[in-house]
Amino acid sequence: KAGVTQTPRYLIKTRGQQVTLSCSPISGHRSVSWYQQTPGQGLQFLFEYFSETQRNKGNFPGRFSGRQFSNSRSEMNVSTLELGDSALYLCASSSGGSGTGELFFGEGSRLTVL
Amino acid sequence: EDQVTQSPEALRLQEGESSSLNCSYTVSGLRGLFWYRQDPGKGPEFLFTLYSAGEEKEKERLKATLTKKESFLHITAPKPEDSATYLCAVQESGGSYIPTFGRGTSLIVHP
Repeated sequence: KAGVTQTPRYLIKTRGQQVTLSCSPISGHRSVSWYQQTPGQGLQFLFEYFSETQRNKGNFPGRFSGRQFSNSRSEMNVSTLELGDSALYLCASSSGGSGTGELFFGEGSRLTVL
Repeated sequence: EDQVTQSPEALRLQEGESSSLNCSYTVSGLRGLFWYRQDPGKGPEFLFTLYSAGEEKEKERLKATLTKKESFLHITAPKPEDSATYLCAVQESGGSYIPTFGRGTSLIVHP
């Protein structure tokens, strides 16, 4: 069974630009969550999508947005990039039943903002 | 105040030297506690779920235990390949079921 796939794995952007990250969940998983990981803050929850609907949202500014498609693939977008957005962005999928904490993570997209 | 606190932040062991990692939590009601392993440059990998005090789970050299306020990840006779960051996450009952992660313990096992 293929795992969670994230693209791109690495990217470099400059301040003010925008970026779109993609995530393909494990086949059959309907829940996709996004996390930001930095050395200073650890893993911070961004948002969760289930059946194309945002089900939960973390405490991030509106520059961070996401969506989920009918095939459960998900994208997240960060607009007007700031230096502090440099981080590893992780996508995780789960079967999404009653809110399982058993998440299956991708390898992440490492974003560097210059 | 962090809901999930892991200690120590970093731990260096010699191969074969057993030790324990701690995860303490302050949620009012626990739905589940999860342990993950994260290798450098990779996403976290799920290890265990614990639901109630007294519960234990084992996998190879790892054993996770749970009390009402903390969990321990015991590593018995570790090997260099056990080197990784170990993350604990807590899911609170009665609210959003989104797990809150601790900052992790970075474990290095020297041969």
